[in-house]
Amino acid sequence: DAGVIQSPRHEVTEMGQEVTLRCKPISGHNSLFWYRQTMMRGLELLIYFNNNVPIDDSGMPEDRFSAKMPNASFSTLKIQPSEPRDSAVYFCASSIGEGGRLKTQYFGPGTRLLVL
Amino acid sequence: ELKVEQNPLFLSMQEGKNYTIYCNYSTTSDRLYWYRQDPGKSLESLFVLLSNGAVKQEGRLMASLDTKARLSTLHITAAVHDLSATYFCAVGGLDSNYQLIWGAGTKLIIKP
Repeated sequence: DAGVIQSPRHEVTEMGQEVTLRCKPISGHNSLFWYRQTMMRGLELLIYFNNNVPIDDSGMPEDRFSAKMPNASFSTLKIQPSEPRDSAVYFCASSIGEGGRLKTQYFGPGTRLLVL
Repeated sequence: ELKVEQNPLFLSMQEGKNYTIYCNYSTTSDRLYWYRQDPGKSLESLFVLLSNGAVKQEGRLMASLDTKARLSTLHITAAVHDLSATYFCAVGGLDSNYQLIWGAGTKLIIKP
């Protein structure tokens, strides 16, 4: 299996521009997570999907952030408009549920976002 | 509210030495994970610990779980430079089947 795939791997943009991050989970996994990692705040869960449905978006910072999962093999995280404080590494992770509990989360390589 | 505390946050050690990283958590949990992150890289799953007394070993790393003490340890035996990385523990609370609470990470530097 190719693992979790994310694109782009690096993104440099100017403040005010729209940024779209993409994720392909591991085939057969029914849960998908978007995380943000910064030195100051560590690893933060932004949103969690189960069977393509957003279950918990309480970590999404504000209305500038939105996420979709139109099918089991694709998800996007969009920031519009972007701000310098959005600069971070964004990880997508996927997992599969068993017995009412999720198993190990597998992380993608991350997208390093720099907003100037 | 589940809280996870790792210590130390930074550790510099010589090759060949043994050391232990600690992960304390505040409320009952039924699963604990250890991950490794190399600089500029993703997080790699190392161990999953699901029951009291669980012990898992991979090479020079050994993880254990004491659910009564709410403590997990990651022990490094005869450290080698390649083990330099940041190690995270993540704990799942009983009130959520998906939410993991992450420790701040322990940055481990092993000097040749």
